[in-house]
Amino acid sequence: QVQLIQSRGEVKKPGASVRVSCKASGDTFTDYSFTWVRQAPGQGLEWMGRISPYNGNTHYAQKFQGRVTMTTDTSSNTVYMDLRSLRSDDTAVYYCARDLGFAELSLGFWGQGTLVTVSS
Amino acid sequence: EIVLTQSPGTLSLSPGERATLSCRASESVSGSYLAWYQQRPGLAPRLLIYGASSRATGIPDRFSGSGSGTDFTLTISRLEPEDFAVYYCQQTGFSPETFGQGTKVEI
Repeated sequence: QVQLIQSRGEVKKPGASVRVSCKASGDTFTDYSFTWVRQAPGQGLEWMGRISPYNGNTHYAQKFQGRVTMTTDTSSNTVYMDLRSLRSDDTAVYYCARDLGFAELSLGFWGQGTLVTVSS
Repeated sequence: EIVLTQSPGTLSLSPGERATLSCRASESVSGSYLAWYQQRPGLAPRLLIYGASSRATGIPDRFSGSGSGTDFTLTISRLEPEDFAVYYCQQTGFSPETFGQGTKVEI
C-alpha cells in the first residue's frame, strides 16, 4: 500500500531554512504529483504547492514564491520541501500528500506530518 | 484565487443525527475537482470524497457528497462517535488549490 514517511520535527531560529523530506513507497513514484500542505497551530489547512516527479514541474502558492523550493529524488523516491527565511508564523505542521490517482488531483495519501517550530 | 467558504463554522449535533456541511466557491469549480477531507485531532487529514460525489476507498456509505458550480455539500446521514472531527473542502481545478476554512462537527 502507499506510504508517505516524513522526516522528524525541527526547531529553527528566525531567518534560518528548513528542509522537510517525504519518502514514498508502494507505487510508481513518477506516476503521481505530490503536494505540500501546512497547518499552523489551531488553524486550517494551507496549500503550499505541488511537484511532479515525472518532469520536476512545480506550482507554488504566490504567498511562498521566492521562499519555497520543492524537489524530488527519483533514485530514493523522496520529495523535499525547502523553506527559507523562516519567521515565527511559519511554525506549523507540514504535510506531504500524493494525488489519489492518475489525473485525479485530490489528496488520497498523506504523510504523518512534520512539526517545524520557529523560535529564537 | 478561488475562495472556498464553509458553513457553518461549528455544527453541534448528537450521535445518530444527520449533518449537512456546505462549501461555497467564489467562482465556478468543476465538480471533478472538489474534494472533502476529515481531520481528527492530532492526525493527518483523510480523503472522504473526490470528484464532488465519489467516496474514497474504505469510506462508509453514510458519507455522501453532492453539488456543482459554486455550491457543494457533504452529508453524514447518521453520525457515529468517530465522525466528530473537522471537515475541509478543497478545489484542485485551479492553482492555488485552495481549502475551505473548515467545519467542526462537535457533540
